[in-house]
Amino acid sequence: EIVLTQSPGTLSLSPGEGATLSCRASQSVSSSYLTWYQQKPGQAPRLLIYGASSRATGIPDRFSGSGSGTDFTLTISRLEPEDFAVYYCQQFGSSLQYTFGQGTKLEIK
Amino acid sequence: QVQLQESGPGLVKPSETLSLTCTVSGGSISSYYWSWIRQPPGKGLEWIGYISYIGSTSYNPSLKSRVTISLDTSRNQFSLKLSSVTAADTAVYYCARAIGSSWHFGFWGRGTLVTVSS
Repeated sequence: EIVLTQSPGTLSLSPGEGATLSCRASQSVSSSYLTWYQQKPGQAPRLLIYGASSRATGIPDRFSGSGSGTDFTLTISRLEPEDFAVYYCQQFGSSLQYTFGQGTKLEIK
Repeated sequence: QVQLQESGPGLVKPSETLSLTCTVSGGSISSYYWSWIRQPPGKGLEWIGYISYIGSTSYNPSLKSRVTISLDTSRNQFSLKLSSVTAADTAVYYCARAIGSSWHFGFWGRGTLVTVSS
């Protein structure tokens, strides 16, 4: 089973600042199957980035994804108040199974 | 626009079987992969398993012995059964849709809280 480890656990920033969230895999992951979600309290997760770097429909261009192999990054260039939430990475592997990272909470400083 | 809606009992007794149904509207259940995902209160997401439009399944190894996911194409629904539940199975349960070419979850239900308690 591929384990995804996200860091940091909590990130405290101010609106207007940039954010960098990390997702590290225990073994190589296909970039095609690395996804990022945003979740706000009381809501279902929302698709942000798929294929490691493709923005989902309606996602602002301040969100970007990058990485390959075992190291992936979600970058938010200029934080808006609505961006403060929990972010999860997720992978789908050759064993036909999904795993999620434990999440990074992005909170207002 | 595709919509998914979970339904089922909000309270299940320990050792019993949790049963949930996801109803898909605004689109066909064909040609996609349908998953159940859960989230214990205050914790992260855990994938439970999926069923394909042709009925093939894949389950999380940690839950495999207790999970069954089935499909009812005539009703545009798929279902989850989780047996021998304990308090650790208390969670918000989500259903979600993935496309086989990219495997990300593009559509989610709103989730339903299931509490395991006597």
